[in-house]
Amino acid sequence: DVKVTQSSRYLVKRTGEKVFLECVQDMDHENMFWYRQDPGLGLRLIYFSYDVKMKEKGDIPEGYSVSREKKERFSLILESASTNQTSMYLCASSFLQPPGVWELFFGEGSRLTVL
Amino acid sequence: AQSVTQLGSHVSVSEGALVLLRCNYSSSVPPYLFWYVQYPNQGLQLLLKYTTGATLVKGINGFEAEFKKSETSFHLTKPSAHMSDAAEYFCAVTRTGANSKLTFGKGITLSVRP
Repeated sequence: DVKVTQSSRYLVKRTGEKVFLECVQDMDHENMFWYRQDPGLGLRLIYFSYDVKMKEKGDIPEGYSVSREKKERFSLILESASTNQTSMYLCASSFLQPPGVWELFFGEGSRLTVL
Repeated sequence: AQSVTQLGSHVSVSEGALVLLRCNYSSSVPPYLFWYVQYPNQGLQLLLKYTTGATLVKGINGFEAEFKKSETSFHLTKPSAHMSDAAEYFCAVTRTGANSKLTFGKGITLSVRP
């Protein structure tokens, strides 16, 4: 089975702290994604990556950056955490399927609280 | 641009009753459509997907969905609800083409009453 592992299930950080959320997948997927999930808003795409060292902005990239130095690992970085970044963060991965067929495999999520 | 509308935020059914979760999409090109389920404290997992071919697609756990182009709909159904179906359900759409992205609806919570 595909496994997408997010390093922390729950984090509590203070405003202004730098926050790293780590995600590792074990199925050699080319594509990796970071979403945030908020009640009533569904899932919103922050960043995604088609290949090592490549990244593309999603719908809500402001206040976030990403890093993909190895194929299996995709990190989300909050340079200076703010209270409005309190959310559930979901990592996902997929094969490089025919364009448009995004069958995503998700991690269990990282719930971040910024005080 | 593409979008997904899931009307309502919560559906409650009795155990054994029909489950119907509605999804309407907007896409300027033929869409690919998905339903994902999220059980409490877990990530999302794929229930079923429509790409091409048969418009009635069957997924896991007895769920199915029918793509109706004329109605721009992809409603999710299950003939008989089980307590274990209580979860949040997300409809999603994407399109063909390089760099296309998956767009999710806001999700709908299904409760199942004993």
